[in-house]
Amino acid sequence: AQSVTQPDIHITVSEGASLELRCNYSYGATPYLFWYVQSPGQGLQLLLKYFSGDTLVQGIKGFEAEFKRSQSSFNLRKPSVHWSDAAEYFCAVVLGSSNTGKLIFGQGTTLQVKP
Amino acid sequence: DTEVTQTPKHLVMGMTNKKSLKCEQHMGHRAMYWYKQKAKKPPELMFVYSYEKLSINESVPSRFSPECPNSSLLNLHLHALQPEDSALYLCASSKTERNTGELFFGEGSRLTVL
Repeated sequence: AQSVTQPDIHITVSEGASLELRCNYSYGATPYLFWYVQSPGQGLQLLLKYFSGDTLVQGIKGFEAEFKRSQSSFNLRKPSVHWSDAAEYFCAVVLGSSNTGKLIFGQGTTLQVKP
Repeated sequence: DTEVTQTPKHLVMGMTNKKSLKCEQHMGHRAMYWYKQKAKKPPELMFVYSYEKLSINESVPSRFSPECPNSSLLNLHLHALQPEDSALYLCASSKTERNTGELFFGEGSRLTVL
């Protein structure tokens, strides 16, 4: 079955430390891959996306993600976390060949930032 | 304008009430979505409208009734809801229904059913 797994439910990092949030997907073909962020009480905002090409993609707010086909992973990274990065992070996929592709979300990772 | 605007931000209703949630976008997007999000969970797709026609209904109970009056507006009519329907309701839009996953979300309407 198609699925998106975010192994870490909750992560705490110190401000200024580096961050990596994990995401694994289960599909036959390479899907379109996304990371969304949701601040408390807010809607979701697209951080970055991968469709094809360069496997290292840059996003907004200093985030980047790397697609690794061999590991079926699309991990999100940031070299130095700011207190304002505390939020819920969702990895998501869409099957690229689907005409009515549904955005399938992982369960989310809650990021807490310590001062 | 890259915003999706949802009203009201908060809504409290009884199980016998009729209310509506509204969503508006002026980005020229032709696909609009309703998602339901429970606390600490990912959003769940409810409905998709493409070119003002309902294209996906994810087996949502009939007490939720979507409406798309024009390409900029999306409503969700609520009637005879249950307490378990309390959630954050998110509206989103995308350029077309060929969903490449690039959705623009509103801030949501937080619904409490008493």
